[in-house]
Order: sequence, then C-alpha cells, then structure tokens
Amino acid sequence: GDSVTQMEGPVTLSEEAFLTINCTYTATGYPSLFWYVQYPGEGLQLLLKATKADDKGSNKGFEATYRKETTSFHLEKGSVQVSDSAVYFCCTNDYKLSFGAGTTVTVRA
Amino acid sequence: DVKVTQSSRYLVKRTGEKVFLECVQDMDHENMFWYRQDPGLGLRLIYFSYDVKMKEKGDIPEGYSVSREKKERFSLILESASTNQTSMYLCASSFNSPYEQYFGPGTRLTVT
Repeated sequence: GDSVTQMEGPVTLSEEAFLTINCTYTATGYPSLFWYVQYPGEGLQLLLKATKADDKGSNKGFEATYRKETTSFHLEKGSVQVSDSAVYFCCTNDYKLSFGAGTTVTVRA
Repeated sequence: DVKVTQSSRYLVKRTGEKVFLECVQDMDHENMFWYRQDPGLGLRLIYFSYDVKMKEKGDIPEGYSVSREKKERFSLILESASTNQTSMYLCASSFNSPYEQYFGPGTRLTVT
C-alpha cells in the first residue's frame, strides 16, 4: 500500500527561522497528500492538503507542493513562531491514511 | 465545528483487566478510526469502521476489538490489557472518505 517517509526529528529552531520538513511518498496510483499537526496535549488536526500533482497546499503560513517527479511533499514555513512548536505528520491516503513517524519541532524565542 | 470526544484523557489499568475506550463524534460522519501513537512509531491504525456494525482490521488489531452500535459512537476494547498496550490512543472520524480526519484529544492509557 501507499506509505510516506518523513524527516526524523527533533528539530529545534529560533523564532523567525526557516523551517523545512521533508516528506517523500510511495504510491501505486495518485494519492492525496496531507500534513497534520499535533500541538502539545491535543489531538491531530489537518494543516494542509494537496489532491493532485503540482497542487500547493497552504495554511497558517505553511506551504507544501505535491511533486510527482520527486514523489515529495515537503513542508515549509518562512518565519516560524514559538506557537509553531508541535509534532508534524505527513500522510497519504490509500483506502486509509498512512502516517509518517512524525517530526517534533521546537521553536525557541 | 466538528467535535470528537474521548471518554477519558488519562486512564490507569491493571494487567488482565478489560478496558473500554469510548469515542463520540457529533458530525454524522460515516467513518471512524482508532489509532495508537507511540514515540518513534507515529500513528498506527488499529481498527476502522465505515458504517454502523461494520468494522475492518487496521495494521495492528491483535489484542483489540471494536464495537459500533450507533453511528456516532465507536468503542475500542482491550479484552485483557497488557503492559505493551500502554500508549496514547487516538480516535478520529471523517465524512465519506478516509482522509480529512478529525481527531479527538486522545486517551493516555497506562497498564501496570
């Protein structure tokens, strides 16, 4: 089935730094791709998604582009804030969602 | 807003006990899911359900069962809890597809 591999953490950054979390996928077809975020003490929530090649998902200053040629869906944010400290999960859908292992991001003031 | 609630945030049980984790969603979603979350392993799907009284095994169903008697409620049952079932359990629901899932806050279960 479909699966994703995402960059291992943890990642520690200073405020206003640039964040990239790499994610690559394997799929037999043309899956949709997602980034979920889990803030401390909370469940996961959808951050952004892309449903076809070259789509760009964006939300809260985060962006990710569905790259079919490199089978990637890297998450980026140009200037992180302390409130972006969370665990980020890349995932793809087959008949169910397949999640990456998660990347813990800590932003220091 | 979609709301997914789980019966407990924290639970401590003894080895061999039967444990029930309850999940309720208020958006009339067809699909419901149970995951466990462990450090370094991410989320792993235990069971899911696409309709009332319907269930499908996920990736790690061993030691677990589920019940879905009503559309809004999906229960996870640990028939005889073991220490290796100590984990964070997350429930999710979605409408008409397996993606764009809405998650509950999680239940942190400790089995001693």
